[in-house]
Amino acid sequence: KQEVTQIPAALSVPEGENLVLNCSFTDSAIYNLQWFRQDPGKGLTSLLLIQSSQREQTSGRLNASLDKSSGRSTLYIAASQPGDSATYLCAAGGGGGGADGLTFGKGTHLIIQP
Amino acid sequence: DAGVTQSPTHLIKTRGQQVTLRCSPKSGHDTVSWYQQALGQGPQFIFQYYEEEERQRGNFPDRFSGHQFPNYSSELNVNALLLGDSALYLCASSFLGTGANYGYTFGSGTRLTVV
Repeated sequence: KQEVTQIPAALSVPEGENLVLNCSFTDSAIYNLQWFRQDPGKGLTSLLLIQSSQREQTSGRLNASLDKSSGRSTLYIAASQPGDSATYLCAAGGGGGGADGLTFGKGTHLIIQP
Repeated sequence: DAGVTQSPTHLIKTRGQQVTLRCSPKSGHDTVSWYQQALGQGPQFIFQYYEEEERQRGNFPDRFSGHQFPNYSSELNVNALLLGDSALYLCASSFLGTGANYGYTFGSGTRLTVV
């Protein structure tokens, strides 16, 4: 059974800092890994999707890496802004051509202080 | 291009009642998955529908059932509601037609409160 762990559970940093969020998974036989952002009481917004054959993906100030062999992914946020404050979730996509349900971590609650 | 649409946004039900939640997938998507998110937790996979059939199921009791229609929209039904069913219910759609998955798009969710 896949298990996903996110560290740290919460993080508070001043505006402008670069930061790294960590995600680990127990079963390396993933099809892809997806990072999401969730604002309080809202749905999930997809940030980055990394296929199992890829090492990283970039979008603007965000960069996500994937190391299947070690069961780890990181989300790097450059030059953080108050608007980045949210909960960040990583989710491992299973087999079945990637069609199996996602397994989520509990998230990292991020606060960027102005 | 409309994303994933869920209705209703909020719902209050009494313990023992039954509830139906609805989801319209993103245009071009053919697969719908449902997730339950308790407060402070990550979403938990309930089940997934493709070609109007339940394709995969998470660790949820039979009180949770679903349906997918020919237009790819979906319903989640929960019978005999328990207080512990109170949660945010998220619908996610994806395109599985070619046998590959290119990520999921989530809706804004339905907040269910059981009293």
